[in-house]
Amino acid sequence: GENVEQHPSTLSVQEGDSAVIKCTYSDSASNYFPWYKQELGKRPQLIIDIRSNVGEKKDQRIAVTLNKTAKHFSLHITETQPEDSAVYFCAASLNDYKLSFGAGTTVTVRA
Amino acid sequence: NAGVTQTPKFQVLKTGQSMTLQCAQDMNHNSMYWYRQDPGMGLRLIYYSASEGTTDKGEVPNGYNVSRLNKREFSLRLESAAPSQTSVYFCASRGIYEQYFGPGTRLTVT
Repeated sequence: GENVEQHPSTLSVQEGDSAVIKCTYSDSASNYFPWYKQELGKRPQLIIDIRSNVGEKKDQRIAVTLNKTAKHFSLHITETQPEDSAVYFCAASLNDYKLSFGAGTTVTVRA
Repeated sequence: NAGVTQTPKFQVLKTGQSMTLQCAQDMNHNSMYWYRQDPGMGLRLIYYSASEGTTDKGEVPNGYNVSRLNKREFSLRLESAAPSQTSVYFCASRGIYEQYFGPGTRLTVT
């Protein structure tokens, strides 16, 4: 099955700086790559996703890039704010039915 | 529109007891999922149902059973709970691409 690795496991940034989280996947046939944000005690919620026919996607302060050759994708958060503090999960999907998740990155934005 | 709902929110079981976690969605989605979340391990798929009437094993199915009761409801059953099943359980349903998660059930097995 698909194996997704996520780095780093924790990330501390100064407010206003950028944060980058990287994920690699094992199955070159995977074609859907979502990112979920989970605040403490809450459910995971989709923040951005990308399909394999697109190399980059941006939504305000967040962006995702995909390198199919290297089988890795990254989440970029610019101008970080305290409300960006949360756990972020990457995932990969082979057939749109099943998602394989990374282990998560705990992001802390220091004021 | 409540989205995905789960009951109960919290549960404490003794080893060997059984229980059923309930999940329902009102978004008319075909696919539904059960995950468990443990510290440092992300979300791991237990079982999923691609459509009403079908269920399939995920990554960690041992010790669990599921029932897709109808299009709205997908339940997860622990027949004989073990301490290793202490976790937070999330149900989800899938729209076109996005999976929508329920609020979770925090289960402790002593």
